[in-house]
Amino acid sequence: AQKVTQAQTEISVVEKEDVTLDCVYETRDTTYYLFWYKQPPSGELVFLIRRNSFDEQNEISGRYSWNFQKSTSSFNFTITASQVVDSAVYFCALSEERGSTLGRLYFGRGTQLTVWP
Amino acid sequence: GAVVSQHPSRVICKSGTSVKIECRSLDFQATTMFWYRQFPKQSLMLMATSNEGSKATYEQGVEKDKFLINHASLTLSTLTVTSAHPEDSSFYICSAESGLAGGESTDTQYFGPGTRLTVL
Repeated sequence: AQKVTQAQTEISVVEKEDVTLDCVYETRDTTYYLFWYKQPPSGELVFLIRRNSFDEQNEISGRYSWNFQKSTSSFNFTITASQVVDSAVYFCALSEERGSTLGRLYFGRGTQLTVWP
Repeated sequence: GAVVSQHPSRVICKSGTSVKIECRSLDFQATTMFWYRQFPKQSLMLMATSNEGSKATYEQGVEKDKFLINHASLTLSTLTVTSAHPEDSSFYICSAESGLAGGESTDTQYFGPGTRLTVL
């Protein structure tokens, strides 16, 4: 069974602090994809990153970085020097390959990040 | 690239009426579209998977006669909430995945901005 766990329901930080959002997943497939999406108050889900199961390299994009560790089935997301505009709900998601398509996404419950000025 | 639009963004209707929500992929062809429902402060719940030219696949517990899905073209899928009731009030979000090109997918679902439905 596939499952994505985001244990942190809410996180509050003060601007310029670093913050890490945790994501732990379960899957029996050897080929799968992990995602992070951001949902600001407007509601639209914004794609942040995709990782396939064969690529364990960590990635950095500006203030964002992701740590993928298959050994612990985790795909954590760190925001460095957080800003008020980072305030949003962040979802971690898992998808497994189904033939030639991506297949459905399994979402975690989301983490509400609030960054205070 | 990879823009998905939804229309309308917000709708308020009376109980018993039907509401149609459109989901369009603007700059790519989507062989597969997904419809999600999200209640306040909760995660996204997949309702159905829509494939162009075929019947949608509904998740367990989702009434297919109440939530009619039509994927008439590679750029358009519609969700019709029939005989809407207050309990159908929710945030409905679609996503689209590009089709195959030489056996590879885009590996990413792109989401529309969502439609907030309020049934009085």
